[in-house]
Amino acid sequence: GENVEQHPSTLSVQEGDSAVIKCTYSDSASNYFPWYKQELGKGPQLIIDIRSNVGEKKDQRIAVTLNKTAKHFSLHITETQPEDSAVYFCAASKGGGTSYGKLTFGQGTILTVHP
Amino acid sequence: DGGITQSPKYLFRKEGQNVTLSCEQNLNHDAMYWYRQDPGQGLRLIYYSQIVNDFQKGDIAEGYSVSREKKESFPLTVTSAQKNPTAFYLCASSQQGARTEAFFGQGTRLTVV
Repeated sequence: GENVEQHPSTLSVQEGDSAVIKCTYSDSASNYFPWYKQELGKGPQLIIDIRSNVGEKKDQRIAVTLNKTAKHFSLHITETQPEDSAVYFCAASKGGGTSYGKLTFGQGTILTVHP
Repeated sequence: DGGITQSPKYLFRKEGQNVTLSCEQNLNHDAMYWYRQDPGQGLRLIYYSQIVNDFQKGDIAEGYSVSREKKESFPLTVTSAQKNPTAFYLCASSQQGARTEAFFGQGTRLTVV
């Protein structure tokens, strides 16, 4: 089955700096790669996603890049703010039909943004 | 307000007892999912259902059971056969179409006492 590895497990940055989180996946059939943000005691919330027919996607301060050949994808957060502090998860799915929620998750990255 | 409602938020169970976690969605999604989250780990898929009256095992189905009698409801039963049931349980739903992302509920924290 699919295996997703995520690094680093913790990331500490100063407010205004950039943060980068990287994930690799094993199954070349995976074609949908979402990123979720989870705050303490709450459910994950989608922040950005990318499909395998696209190499990069950006939404304001957040961007995701995908390298299908190397089977890795990354989350980039620019101009970080204290409210960006949370746990971030990458995930992979074969997608299609109603299977977009059948996800294999990475282990998570605890991001701390210091004021 | 559309969304996924999980109840209760906190649940305590004695060893040897079965317990059922509720998940209801009003997003009209066909597919629903149950994930388990342990401290410091990612989410792992327990069971999923792509249509009413049908469901499949995920990666860690042993000791769990589900039913899908209605489109909007997907309850999870943690049975006494589950060796390590203390965890944070998350329900999600998704749909084919313009917005295919999986939406998650706020979770149920189950503690075995």
